[in-house]
Amino acid sequence: QQQVKQSPQSLIVQKGGIPIINCAYENTAFDYFPWYQQFPGKGPALLIAIRPDVSEKKEGRFTISFNKSAKQFSLHIMDSQPGDSATYFCAASRGDYKLSFGAGTTVTVRA
Amino acid sequence: GAVVSQHPSWVICKSGTSVKIECRSLDFQATTMFWYRQFPKQSLMLMATSNEGSKATYEQGVEKDKFLINHASLTLSTLTVTSAHPEDSSFYICSARDSGQKGNTIYFGEGSWLTVV
Repeated sequence: QQQVKQSPQSLIVQKGGIPIINCAYENTAFDYFPWYQQFPGKGPALLIAIRPDVSEKKEGRFTISFNKSAKQFSLHIMDSQPGDSATYFCAASRGDYKLSFGAGTTVTVRA
Repeated sequence: GAVVSQHPSWVICKSGTSVKIECRSLDFQATTMFWYRQFPKQSLMLMATSNEGSKATYEQGVEKDKFLINHASLTLSTLTVTSAHPEDSSFYICSARDSGQKGNTIYFGEGSWLTVV
């Protein structure tokens, strides 16, 4: 049973566009919501993370929006570049720090 | 920034042999490390939690006698795939919790490709 549902499975945008990836969870005990970027053959790299007491967080071109009441959070990639083409995973964990991952979204940014 | 190193990056072994993968936290102490397995174009599946100085805890369906985990120090955890078979071929990734950081940030290694022939 997947505890974090991620959509879409894939998306394609033009350079400069804003890919948006959405995740939803059920377990209200989750208190840490990171996003990871993964290139083929590489391990996931932490992009940005948020906790439930914050509704939005920005780091560079990456923004997380968090809606605690709806149990949803999303990643926006501003001014996307071809180098942002990768698979993005949302995740969530509780106090045990075991991450539950979404299924992943393959983002393709066309020049 | 924090770095988690895995070794080897890739390994090929014969069916029936054992292979060890190391996971090191390079600039922080990690009381807890995690081992994941990832098949092509799929998400990461948590295999086990490695706790320094104690036994690992395994997720449901993961054979603890096949995937031996040792967390001998605050910077090193090892995963040994025993009596490997072709179906064990996969991408194995470790992560480490930086307990020194506010919020306990989790960092991943670069992964280790295992091919069993």
